[in-house]
Amino acid sequence: GDSVTQMEGPVTLSEEAFLTINCTYTATGYPSLFWYVQYPGEGLQLLLKATKADDKGSNKGFEATYRKETTSFHLEKGSVQVSDSAVYFCALSDSTGNQFYFGTGTSLTVIP
Amino acid sequence: DAGITQSPRHKVTETGTPVTLRCHQTENHRYMYWYRQDPGHGLRLIHYSYGVKDTDKGEVSDGYSVSRSKTEDFLLTLESATSSQTSVYFCAISRLAGEGDTQYFGPGTRLTVL
Repeated sequence: GDSVTQMEGPVTLSEEAFLTINCTYTATGYPSLFWYVQYPGEGLQLLLKATKADDKGSNKGFEATYRKETTSFHLEKGSVQVSDSAVYFCALSDSTGNQFYFGTGTSLTVIP
Repeated sequence: DAGITQSPRHKVTETGTPVTLRCHQTENHRYMYWYRQDPGHGLRLIHYSYGVKDTDKGEVSDGYSVSRSKTEDFLLTLESATSSQTSVYFCAISRLAGEGDTQYFGPGTRLTVL
C-alpha cells in the first residue's frame, strides 16, 4: 500500500543554517504530496504542496520538489530561524484523494 | 484559519467506558476525517466521511465508529475504551478530494484511558 518515509529526528540546527528533511514515498497512481508543520500544542498546518511530478511547492522560505524518478519530496530551507522550531510531517494523498498517509514526523529545534 | 473545533480538548476515562469525541466545522466542507497521533507513528487515519451519512474506514478503524448526521458535525465513538486508545485525536476537513486538496486540522483532543 501507499506509504511515506521521512528522516527521523530530532534535528538541531543553529540559526541561519541550511535545512533538509528527507521524504520518500511509495504509491500507486499519481499521488499529491504535502508538507505539514505542527507547533507545540497545536494541530497540523499546511506548509506547502505539489500535485504533479516536477512541481515545486514553496512557502515561508521552505521549498520541496516532487521528484517522480526518485519518489522523493525533500523539504529545504536556506536559512532557518528560531521560529521554525516545530515538527514537520511529509504526507501524500492517494489517487482518489480520500486517503492520506503521513510520515512519522521530524522534530526540528533551531538554537540562536 | 479554518473554522474547526473539537470537544472535549482533554479527557481522562477508564477502560471499558464509552467515549464520544466531537468535531464541528463552520466551513461547509464535504470531507471530514479522524486521525490519531502517536509517537513513532505520525498520524494515522481512523475513519473519514465524504458526505452526510457517508463514511468509510481508514487504516486503524478497529474499535472506533463514526457518525455524520449533519454536514458540520463528525462524531468519533470508542464503544469500550482501551488503554491502547490513549492518544491525541485530530479532526480534519477538506473541500474536495483528489487533485491535492488541502486538509485543515482542528486543535486536537488528548484522550487518556486508564
